[in-house]
Amino acid sequence: DIVLTQSPDSLAVSLGERATINCKSSQSVLYSSNNKNYLGWYQQRPGQPPRLLIYWASTRESGVPDRFSGSGSGTDFTLTISSLQAEDVAVYYCQQYYSSPYTFGQGTNLEIK
Amino acid sequence: EVQLVESGGGLVQPGGSLRLSCAASGFTFSDYWMHWVRQAPGKGLMWVSRIYNDGISTIYADSVKGRFTISRDNAKNTLYLQMNSLRDEDTALYYCARGQHCIGSSCSGGYFDLWGRGTLVTVSS
Repeated sequence: DIVLTQSPDSLAVSLGERATINCKSSQSVLYSSNNKNYLGWYQQRPGQPPRLLIYWASTRESGVPDRFSGSGSGTDFTLTISSLQAEDVAVYYCQQYYSSPYTFGQGTNLEIK
Repeated sequence: EVQLVESGGGLVQPGGSLRLSCAASGFTFSDYWMHWVRQAPGKGLMWVSRIYNDGISTIYADSVKGRFTISRDNAKNTLYLQMNSLRDEDTALYYCARGQHCIGSSCSGGYFDLWGRGTLVTVSS
């Protein structure tokens, strides 16, 4: 199974500041035949279902604000929120859809400082 | 409106059974792989099972293999999860999620781009 490890487990950032969440995979999720990283990022606000933010490691889902960006390749990935807004308070998960079981990271709890 | 709506959760005793449903609307259900994902109280997300758009292929997490069965009725736009031999550790909010888009032999995506709001399963005596 592919293990995804996120860091940090929790993060407190001031409004308007940058937030960075990392996700490390136990094996590459880059599919060589199409050069795509099978890695997504999800936001889960309190009491809400998860919401897809980023897929293919760096493609923003429709309707997601452009302050959210994803980067990385192979085994190391990053989700960046460029200017934190109050509505960004949530738990963020990375997930690999490269192979089953389609594992998630343990989650990063993002709060306002 | 494009949406997924889960139902069928409830309180069940250890060893009991429950069948969850997920009603899809607003999109061509038969073109998508579908998944079940669960979240224990206060915990993270755990993928449970996946079914191909045509229902031919299914896979399961090791923790539920042999106890849970995923199925779908494309005529009714509905996904199911039959859960047998339930254990305390199966207590969770169960979400259905939309996965890969497939038309014929051509597939794209794989990420989970649409989620329901979940249905709560509580296993307790």
